Amino acid sequence: SAVISQKPSRDICQRGTSLTIQCQVDSQVTMMFWYRQQPGQSLTLIATANQGSEATYESGFVIDKFPISRPNLTFSTLTVSNMSPEDSSIYLCSVEIGAPLEQYFGPGTRLTVT
Amino acid sequence: GDSVTQMEGPVTLSEEAFLTINCTYTATGYPSLFWYVQYPGEGLQLLLKATKADDKGSNKGFEATYRKETTSFHLEKGSVQVSDSAVYFCALSVRGGSEKLVFGKGTKLTVNP
Repeated sequence: SAVISQKPSRDICQRGTSLTIQCQVDSQVTMMFWYRQQPGQSLTLIATANQGSEATYESGFVIDKFPISRPNLTFSTLTVSNMSPEDSSIYLCSVEIGAPLEQYFGPGTRLTVT
Repeated sequence: GDSVTQMEGPVTLSEEAFLTINCTYTATGYPSLFWYVQYPGEGLQLLLKATKADDKGSNKGFEATYRKETTSFHLEKGSVQVSDSAVYFCALSVRGGSEKLVFGKGTKLTVNP
């Protein structure tokens, strides 16, 4: 398994501003993933971040709105840019580690945009 | 595309009752199947998995069997406890694709004493 931490755990932001969420893993991993969980909804993948390459975004998500950095094998950031109330969600990072096809999730960042 | 259809909730049971949460899937290729659990105020945890047909995943008294013929992966527990109250997500991953997880909508389970 893996120990994954996220910062901040929660935040309340004003519309039009940006927030950067950090994800730290206690071991080196190749692939990291960012998900969004809107209130009362399931998880939707935003993008996949591999170290040393550009993130791959899912349909409906764009780099200008959700820029991602992956500077090394244990760390990634997701920025939510020019926020609107519709961005209010829980944002989770996950990693694939250990046995193949097992993903482990961070505790999430609860974002409220007012 | 790949998708997961999960039993709508919420589900409310009394302690020691039998639990079934239905999950069916559509996938190209040969998916691996997962159940994740999200306890109140906590992150998502992997509960169990199965990587090929007829595999049975089990953990903490929960079981699910990968049924290729019915494209199903139903979650069961013989005797639920109050501490099992959580949201349960069925998910799949297709190796050879993007390795991303595709989640069902989640089923909220409440167990009353």
